[in-house]
Amino acid sequence: DGGITQSPKYLFRKEGQNVTLSCEQNLNHDAMYWYRQDPGQGLRLIYYSQIVNDFQKGDIAEGYSVSREKKESFPLTVTSAQKNPTAFYLCASNPTGSSGNTIYFGEGSWLTVV
Amino acid sequence: QKEVEQNSGPLSVPEGAIASLNCTYSDRGSQSFFWYRQYSGKSPELIMFIYSNGDKEDGRFTAQLNKASQYVSLLIRDSQPSDSATYLCAVRTGNQFYFGTGTSLTVIP
Repeated sequence: DGGITQSPKYLFRKEGQNVTLSCEQNLNHDAMYWYRQDPGQGLRLIYYSQIVNDFQKGDIAEGYSVSREKKESFPLTVTSAQKNPTAFYLCASNPTGSSGNTIYFGEGSWLTVV
Repeated sequence: QKEVEQNSGPLSVPEGAIASLNCTYSDRGSQSFFWYRQYSGKSPELIMFIYSNGDKEDGRFTAQLNKASQYVSLLIRDSQPSDSATYLCAVRTGNQFYFGTGTSLTVIP
């Protein structure tokens, strides 16, 4: 089945650790996005990528890094520089092109600092 | 700064009533508008999108867009308890999507 797969679903991070969240899509979408959602809050854009080997910072990129070596993969690393990483992380993709095309989400990853 | 604003609620309606959800946006260059439903602990799922002024209906859902007023709304007719969720308004500007903080809806049986 086509879709966006995020892993792991739940992740615990110790202080000072880097962790990487995986996002894979088989929809052949060009654009991919990472959002962060805090309890009771909306979605805030961390990074996005329109094409392979290119990506741009979103509104809250500090403390995060990404790569886009393959069209179907867009992993997010939460570095130790991110001081408050506990949140729900959502990966999304979009085929670009027509303005009617929307953004589709994976099931999300919960990250907790312990 | 591009902003999408929604009344956070909570909004409570009795089963079978019409629920009305509203959203305003600040960027007149925004092209497309979307409504997502998000159940607690789950990812958002698309309900419908609209990009022309007027109404668009899909089953029990109607989206309304007024670009002059920079206003988008979602009507849910014959509300069901399963409609209880947070509804996110999203706006597309260029290749970026901006989300409101969501409106929490509770449908009371």
